[in-house]
Amino acid sequence: AQSVTQLGSHVSVSEGALVLLRCNYSSSVPPYLFWYVQYPNQGLQLLLKYTSAATLVKGINGFEAEFKKSETSFHLTKPSAHMSDAAEYFCAVSDKEVSNFGNEKLTFGTGTRLTIIP
Amino acid sequence: DAGVIQSPRHEVTEMGQEVTLRCKPISGHNSLFWYRQTMMRGLELLIYFNNNVPIDDSGMPEDRFSAKMPNASFSTLKIQPSEPRDSAVYFCASSPGTSGRNEQFFGPGTRLTVL
Repeated sequence: AQSVTQLGSHVSVSEGALVLLRCNYSSSVPPYLFWYVQYPNQGLQLLLKYTSAATLVKGINGFEAEFKKSETSFHLTKPSAHMSDAAEYFCAVSDKEVSNFGNEKLTFGTGTRLTIIP
Repeated sequence: DAGVIQSPRHEVTEMGQEVTLRCKPISGHNSLFWYRQTMMRGLELLIYFNNNVPIDDSGMPEDRFSAKMPNASFSTLKIQPSEPRDSAVYFCASSPGTSGRNEQFFGPGTRLTVL
């Protein structure tokens, strides 16, 4: 069964500083990996996803993530934090198709709340 | 595109009452998911449907919870009777297919408070 671990439930960075949110996955087969963002009182929306093409994936709002199989990691980064980046971020994993059912099920991490310091 | 629509956005009820949450997925999407989010337990998948058929309901907490999808454009999640521990934000999401590479599109959620 697949799982993800997000290290650090809370991360604070200064405006303009590097953002690094960590995600490690466990999967019995090559995974698909996702980062979602949740702004206050809203649903989750997709930031970016890895589906076995390029290992460096670029997403919306200047975020990117790199798939590293040797480290089983998919960390999210942004070179320069903006006040509008304050939100909760979720890493998620799904398995590549191994059966006719259940492939679309996502397993989410526990989330990392990002605070931006002015 | 209107996105995933959920109603009501907020629901306050008393313990023992029946609660029905509603979801309209994005047109053309054939997978639908119900999640529950709380501070203590995070984001939990309750049940999901593919082509209106329940595929996995292992996350449904107990028999008080039931979900239906009578057609491709409508789903309900019912709690009967409700309890204070059911207080949470309930999200509906839909996706366009059965591939694990597909993005899930989330609705705005229903915030349920059971007194």
